[in-house]
Amino acid sequence: SQQGEEDPQALSIQEGENATMNCSYKTSINNLQWYRQNSGRGLVHLILIRSNEREKHSGRLRVTLDTSKKSSSLLITASRAADTASYFCATALNTGNQFYFGTGTSLTVIP
Amino acid sequence: DAGVTQSPTHLIKTRGQHVTLRCSPISGHKSVSWYQQVLGQGPQFIFQYYEKEERGRGNFPDRFSARQFPNYSSELNVNALLLGDSALYLCASSPRLVVTYNEQFFGPGTRLTVL
Repeated sequence: SQQGEEDPQALSIQEGENATMNCSYKTSINNLQWYRQNSGRGLVHLILIRSNEREKHSGRLRVTLDTSKKSSSLLITASRAADTASYFCATALNTGNQFYFGTGTSLTVIP
Repeated sequence: DAGVTQSPTHLIKTRGQHVTLRCSPISGHKSVSWYQQVLGQGPQFIFQYYEKEERGRGNFPDRFSARQFPNYSSELNVNALLLGDSALYLCASSPRLVVTYNEQFFGPGTRLTVL
């Protein structure tokens, strides 16, 4: 089974609102990454947070990581219609050389 | 610089046929990974190749195989296609062997439909 699970599965908000999506995982990780996917196309890397970090910012994105709860959250502030996409968390374990992707959150931002 | 490219964009095959998907990594990237993404799911790791050698394999049957060429481009082959092989196949490139410490760069994918 996949390492990560995103919550909620789908999220619909008005433009300008904040969007929060969560990711839970099962085993200890080296790092966790968030990716964005538009309309079933390729994934675009958004942000990487390492296991010894608790919070990271990139533009309108804020990611937190709680290793004790094995969870991460992605906050998109002041959302725009162009943020409409699916968002995936991907975990990298301390052993092995592959990512484990979650099931994704489908975000719709209504203009 | 060109990003990761994949061909073809779309492909329709029938059960039992064979398919070859192609990927060209970003210039200078020596690692290529393949992922299968079934509709409504997240990508699942199939293979990683680095310097023409297989460096990782996911939980996929032997019908799936891949190779990497001297120019670091890669092919994914799937034999005896099943309906369940219908998916978006993604290729990702990275400059390093250990891909998990940094971001991967994904191509646009090949949409395979098996009828």
